[in-house]
Amino acid sequence: GAGVSQSPSNKVTEKGKDVELRCDPISGHTALYWYRQSLGQGLEFLIYFQGNSAPDKSGLPSDRFSAERTGGSVSTLTIQRTQQEDSAVYLCASSLAVEGGYTFGSGTRLTVV
Amino acid sequence: QKEVEQNSGPLSVPEGAIASLNCTYSDRVSQSFFWYRQYSGKSPELIMSIYSNGDKEDGRFTAQLNKASQYVSLLIRDSQPSDSATYLCAVKGGRRALTFGSGTRLQVQP
Repeated sequence: GAGVSQSPSNKVTEKGKDVELRCDPISGHTALYWYRQSLGQGLEFLIYFQGNSAPDKSGLPSDRFSAERTGGSVSTLTIQRTQQEDSAVYLCASSLAVEGGYTFGSGTRLTVV
Repeated sequence: QKEVEQNSGPLSVPEGAIASLNCTYSDRVSQSFFWYRQYSGKSPELIMSIYSNGDKEDGRFTAQLNKASQYVSLLIRDSQPSDSATYLCAVKGGRRALTFGSGTRLQVQP
């Protein structure tokens, strides 16, 4: 597609529920990244995928977080048993190569109540 | 010590002035450096990249890199109210993903 597409744009969930966030990167971009941004804060790295290589999961804050990328394209970030501290904007980005700059999607605003 | 440090601001400059935004990083093997602009409620957008020491100019924007001092800066000439945003410095080393600073909020006063 023309840009990085994320869905849903907003998600309100009850504490303890599982949520899935979707990212559709720019066509042809081999690298895909997930970050989150809490209110007034910088971007916190979560995970990235590069081609067929094993993903770099070093930023995932707990084992409640997982992500997969199917067919080298669409990615899903799953948060199990959500907690209030998971409330943030979850941003997905893609790049043509690992060395280049990233193009971000518009994000998913997650609110855990 | 944070890996990428920026003054949170706000940095306030009058319209038409030069805005100077600074960033320091801790990882000496960092290779690639980026500046992103983020308007309130929006996602970051890439405005500049720089990979070697010196200056790189693009329109009203100039990025400056000094690897010996582990310092990156962004100059915005002829600042406009539309430049008011948060500017994020991002650094990449090795095969790691970009590490972002917390950003500097810029306010351009009409």
